[in-house]
Amino acid sequence: EDQVTQSPEALRLQEGESSSLNCSYTVSGLRGLFWYRQDPGKGPEFLFTLYSAGEEKEKERLKATLTKKESFLHITAPKPEDSATYLCAVGGGSQGNLIFGKGTKLSVKP
Amino acid sequence: DARVTQTPRHKVTEMGQEVTMRCQPILGHNTVFWYRQTMMQGLELLAYFRNRAPLDDSGMPKDRFSAEMPDATLATLKIQPSEPRDSAVYFCASGLGSTDTQYFGPGTRLTVL
Repeated sequence: EDQVTQSPEALRLQEGESSSLNCSYTVSGLRGLFWYRQDPGKGPEFLFTLYSAGEEKEKERLKATLTKKESFLHITAPKPEDSATYLCAVGGGSQGNLIFGKGTKLSVKP
Repeated sequence: DARVTQTPRHKVTEMGQEVTMRCQPILGHNTVFWYRQTMMQGLELLAYFRNRAPLDDSGMPKDRFSAEMPDATLATLKIQPSEPRDSAVYFCASGLGSTDTQYFGPGTRLTVL
């Protein structure tokens, strides 16, 4: 069965304290792994797409990496404005659409 | 700045009433999705369309939910009759394919009393 699991469910960091969020997936025929950011009361905002193992993408303090079984979203020296829920989704498998994980809620305290 | 728009942003209604939510996808996008988000279940796919044709609506309760695309610039999601368990945030998203990047609207927060 195709599925996406994100961990941890919640993460509290101090400003400047780097960490990583995990997205584990099982899907036959990966056609892309997507990271989104969601702020309270808003729709998910697209961050990155990764297509093959070894691929990396960066945006400001965020870097996404991909292996054959999981993806990491590394946050370097986070700031309070990085606080949000981060969603991971995969495309491919038996379903013709994206499968979303339940997200990691990140809180960054000043 | 192309964006997906949704109306209304908030809706409070009583059980049994009809609810209609509307979505305008990004111009040029041929695939439109409807999702429901709750704290317990996260994001659930309800239905999606490609080139205005429904491809999958297996996530929708068929007896009360219906989704349509009257034209390329409008997608609708209707609930009739609404029930308290339908209370959630409903998102529309659009893209260029079912497994390509999806761009989400701001959502409709539905409360059924």
